[in-house]
Amino acid sequence: EAQVTQNPRYLITVTGKKLTVTCSQNMNHEYMSWYRQDPGLGLRQIYYSMNVEVTDKGDVPEGYKVSRKEKRNFPLILESPSPNQTSLYFCASQAGNTEAFFGQGTRLTVV
Amino acid sequence: SQELEQSPQSLIVQEGKNLTINCTSSKTLYGLYWYKQKYGEGLIFLMMLQKGGEEKSHEKITAKLDEKKQQSSLHITASQPSHAGIYLCRTDSWGKLQFGAGTQVVVTP
Repeated sequence: EAQVTQNPRYLITVTGKKLTVTCSQNMNHEYMSWYRQDPGLGLRQIYYSMNVEVTDKGDVPEGYKVSRKEKRNFPLILESPSPNQTSLYFCASQAGNTEAFFGQGTRLTVV
Repeated sequence: SQELEQSPQSLIVQEGKNLTINCTSSKTLYGLYWYKQKYGEGLIFLMMLQKGGEEKSHEKITAKLDEKKQQSSLHITASQPSHAGIYLCRTDSWGKLQFGAGTQVVVTP
């Protein structure tokens, strides 16, 4: 089954404690991306990757890092989380100009 | 960058009634996607439009991309409780995916 898998689904952490949200896709897609969704602001792109070892900033990259060492995985790293990074995060992958497949989301709370 | 504005932000519709959601772009659209999202869950792909004047339907949902390719509409006929959720439009802009802010649809009995 074609899918994008994010882990964890829910996470509560404290300010400053490094965390990683994993994202994996099984469709051999070259394009992967991360978003955060906040009330009234919709989905905003954090980072995207057009291929292995190629990553670019989206609209809200501050406070986040990503890596793309292999095609299937695109982890999102928060080196020093802060409360304003409390949000619902989505990972997505797609092939070319086609529909994007989304993960089920990770609800992060930073206290 | 390209911006997508959705209207209305939210709407409440009685079951069985029709509804329309609009998505207006600040630039020409070369592809427009519609998604549906249940609160707190992932996005489900509905339809993709690529040509001006294109219209697609799936069950009771119809989407159109206008001739000048700067606006798309999503129309639901005879709404049902299963149509409740957040509808988002999306386009691509030089590798970046841009989303509208979403329209929350509530269907009442």
